[in-house]
Amino acid sequence: DTEVTQTPKHLVMGMTNKKSLKCEQHMGHRAMYWYKQKAKKPPELMFVYSYEKLSINESVPSRFSPECPNSSLLNLHLHALQPEDSALYLCASSQDGLGHGADTQYFGPGTRLTVL
Amino acid sequence: RKEVEQDPGPFNVPEGATVAFNCTYSNSASQSFFWYRQDCRKEPKLLMSVYSSGNEDGRFTAQLNRASQYISLLIRDSKLSDSATYLCVVKENTGNQFYFGTGTSLTVIP
Repeated sequence: DTEVTQTPKHLVMGMTNKKSLKCEQHMGHRAMYWYKQKAKKPPELMFVYSYEKLSINESVPSRFSPECPNSSLLNLHLHALQPEDSALYLCASSQDGLGHGADTQYFGPGTRLTVL
Repeated sequence: RKEVEQDPGPFNVPEGATVAFNCTYSNSASQSFFWYRQDCRKEPKLLMSVYSSGNEDGRFTAQLNRASQYISLLIRDSKLSDSATYLCVVKENTGNQFYFGTGTSLTVIP
């Protein structure tokens, strides 16, 4: 089973709202990722968690706040977003939390976010 | 300098055609190589990992050329259902970061 699940599938929020995106995997993977994807562009890395610790933050604005409560869950807290933050937000996981050698990444179905 | 370069296309080919995509990567220490397929408004899905010896899965063949630092994907006997964006992805031998090409758009025409 290579399933990564994400909720909600769609989210519409105003610029003053606070919302959270959720991601879950039960493959025992130790690395989890958040990506942002705009139309006709490749996924753009936002954050990487390795063994539940934040290991990469690609200079993401503080209105995006990641959280990894345990090895299976990854959240992305959203606050005071801008319309240009509207995008597909993808969660992914890979087995090797230490990033050594060969590894494969699996994606969830994404949350399509619209900021009004 | 981009880590991974891909021709964005679009490639428009008739059903039954053979089409090839290439991708180059800049870091010679790269360890893992993949082709993902992404349908419109969906997530990327792993199509194939790419091994040094090359690998084949039905109509799909992937090749890796470490000396020239490129990977390729060959699709034979194209089907309408092959229409998608194909993403080349490279991982270095350390760290958790995966590097994406821009994606190549393929449309198979009846």
